[in-house]
Amino acid sequence: GQSLEQPSEVTAVEGAIVQINCTYQTSGFYGLSWYQQHDGGAPTFLSYNALDGLEETGRFSSFLSRSDSYGYLLLQELQMKDSASYFCAVSPSNYKYIFGTGTRLKVLA
Amino acid sequence: KAGVTQTPRYLIKTRGQQVTLSCSPISGHRSVSWYQQTPGQGLQFLFEYFSETQRNKGNFPGRFSGRQFSNSRSEMNVSTLELGDSALYLCASSLQGAEDNEQFFGPGTRLTVL
Repeated sequence: GQSLEQPSEVTAVEGAIVQINCTYQTSGFYGLSWYQQHDGGAPTFLSYNALDGLEETGRFSSFLSRSDSYGYLLLQELQMKDSASYFCAVSPSNYKYIFGTGTRLKVLA
Repeated sequence: KAGVTQTPRYLIKTRGQQVTLSCSPISGHRSVSWYQQTPGQGLQFLFEYFSETQRNKGNFPGRFSGRQFSNSRSEMNVSTLELGDSALYLCASSLQGAEDNEQFFGPGTRLTVL
C-alpha cells in the first residue's frame, strides 16, 4: 500500500522552533508538499520539494531526502497563529495526491 | 481573483439517498481534484479532472463519481449514501494539475448522513 506517516500532535511555545516529520511509502514519487489547515478552514499550500535539500520561505522551511523517503517542515519563531494542522502530501503518480493524516500543532503562550 | 467556491456548504441527508456537490475552480484553472476529509483519516483523494476528463482516481467505491464541465466547474455525486460517508468534501483547483505544485482548496461541503 501507499502511506505517509507524521506525528499526530506537536506542542511548542511561542518563539520556539518546531519540526514536523513526514515519512512516506509510495509506489512513485513526484514531490512532497506541505499544507496548513486552521480549524474550520481550507488547507493552504506552504511548500513543495521535488529535489533533495532545504527550501526556505520566510519562517517556514521544508526539507526532503528522497533516498530516505523522508521530509520535514520546520517552523521558526512560532506565533500563536501557527496553531493549526499541518499535512504532508506526496504525488505518487500523475494527477494524484496522497495526504498524511495531519499533525496538530499547538502553540502555547 | 475569486477563490475556489463550493456549494452547498452544509448538507444533511439520510442513508440511501444520493447527493451532488459542486465546485467552481479559480478562473483559468483547468484541473479540479476532490478529497474526502474525516477526523483521523486526513484527506483522501477521490479523483482528478482536467478538460472534462478524469485522469486519476483514488480507492473509493463506484458510488462516488464525478464530472467536469467545459467551463472547468466540477460536480461529484455520491449515491446510496452510507453513514460512513459523513465527511468534509474538499475540492482543489490548479492550473494544469500534475505540472503544478500548488493546489488551491475550497472551503468544503460538510455532508452529514443520518
